[in-house]
Amino acid sequence: AQSVTQLDSQVPVFEEAPVELRCNYSSSVSVYLFWYVQYPNQGLQLLLKYLSGSTLVKGINGFEAEFNKSQTSFHLRKPSVHISDTAEYFCAVSDGGATNKLIFGTGTLLAVQP
Amino acid sequence: DTGVSQDPRHKITKRGQNVTFRCDPISEHNRLYWYRQTLGQGPEFLTYFQNEAQLEKSRLLSDRFSAERPKGSFSTLEIQRTEQGDSAMYLCASSPPAGVGETQYFGPGTRLLVL
Repeated sequence: AQSVTQLDSQVPVFEEAPVELRCNYSSSVSVYLFWYVQYPNQGLQLLLKYLSGSTLVKGINGFEAEFNKSQTSFHLRKPSVHISDTAEYFCAVSDGGATNKLIFGTGTLLAVQP
Repeated sequence: DTGVSQDPRHKITKRGQNVTFRCDPISEHNRLYWYRQTLGQGPEFLTYFQNEAQLEKSRLLSDRFSAERPKGSFSTLEIQRTEQGDSAMYLCASSPPAGVGETQYFGPGTRLLVL
């Protein structure tokens, strides 16, 4: 069975500082990895995804993530955050099977302070 | 560009009542998903449709829950005899046909509160 662990439930950071949101996954098969962002009272929006190829993936809004197979991690990073980045961030995994359903972590609240 | 829409956005009901939610996916998407998100948790998979066929249901989907996608376009999720534990955000997502790792596009969700 697949699972996703986001150890940090909340990450406070000052504006213009760098940030890393951690994600570890567990799977016995090849995986596809995703980061979604959820702003208050809204649905989820895809930030970026890893399917294959280069382990460094660039997404929208200046975010990037690195796939590390040996450490089973897919951490999300941004070199300089803005107030508008305040939101809940979810890491998800799919085995790309018949349904392609997503298994989500519990989320990390990124709280950007001025 | 029309995204995934859900109706209603909010629903307050009394315990024991039935509720129905609607999801309209992006028009060319044949894959449709329902997820449930409770406070402080990530979304959890409920069920999956490919066209009009319901191909997978989670064990979370008790007998009180039923989902349909009659013409392979919009979908409905009905909860009968609601319980307070059903209070959650119900999210719908759609994705285009074919390809593994296809992006799922999410709607804004329906927030259900059972009193």
